[in-house]
Amino acid sequence: EIVLTQSPGTLSLSPGERATLSCRASQSVSSSYLAWYQQKPGQAPRLLIYGASSRATGIPDRFSGSGSGTDFTLTISRLEPEDFAVYYCQQYGTSPPETFGGGTKVEIK
Amino acid sequence: EVQLVQSGPEVKKPGESLNISCKGSGYRFTDYWIAWVRQMPGQGLEWMGIIFPGDSDTTYSPSFQGLVTISADKSISTAYLQWSSLKASDTAVYYCAKKRTIGATRAFDIWGQGTMVTVSS
Repeated sequence: EIVLTQSPGTLSLSPGERATLSCRASQSVSSSYLAWYQQKPGQAPRLLIYGASSRATGIPDRFSGSGSGTDFTLTISRLEPEDFAVYYCQQYGTSPPETFGGGTKVEIK
Repeated sequence: EVQLVQSGPEVKKPGESLNISCKGSGYRFTDYWIAWVRQMPGQGLEWMGIIFPGDSDTTYSPSFQGLVTISADKSISTAYLQWSSLKASDTAVYYCAKKRTIGATRAFDIWGQGTMVTVSS
């Protein structure tokens, strides 16, 4: 099973600032099958990024993903008020099981 | 509009059985894998297992193998998650989620609204 470790656990930032979230895998994620999701309280997760760097339909270009192998990053270039949420990475290249990271909470400073 | 609509919240006692559902619409249900994901209170996301509704091919996470059953009825575009004997530790929100395109190695682009399951004596 591939273990995904996200850091930091919590990121305290102000609107307009840049957010950098990390996701590290215990072994290489095949073909960059790595996704990022955003989850707000009481809501289902929403797909932001797939294939490590491709934005999902309707996702603003302030969200970008990068990385390969075992190290991946989600960057939010300028935080908007609606971006404060929990973010999860997921690998879907090796199954079972597909696995999720523990999440990073982006909170208002 | 492509959507997954899940059944409503459930309150059950330990030892009871339960079946929750996830109905797909707006797309060809038989062509896309659907997974179930658990989120315990205040916790992260856990991948439980996945089914291909076209032929009911199913794979479980080792952590959930033997504890739940995933099935699908393609005639009514609905996937199911079943328990034969609930435990208090099954208290969680359960989401179904659809793969983004045809194929297993895809991210989940559409999620159900979640079903809250509470197990308490």
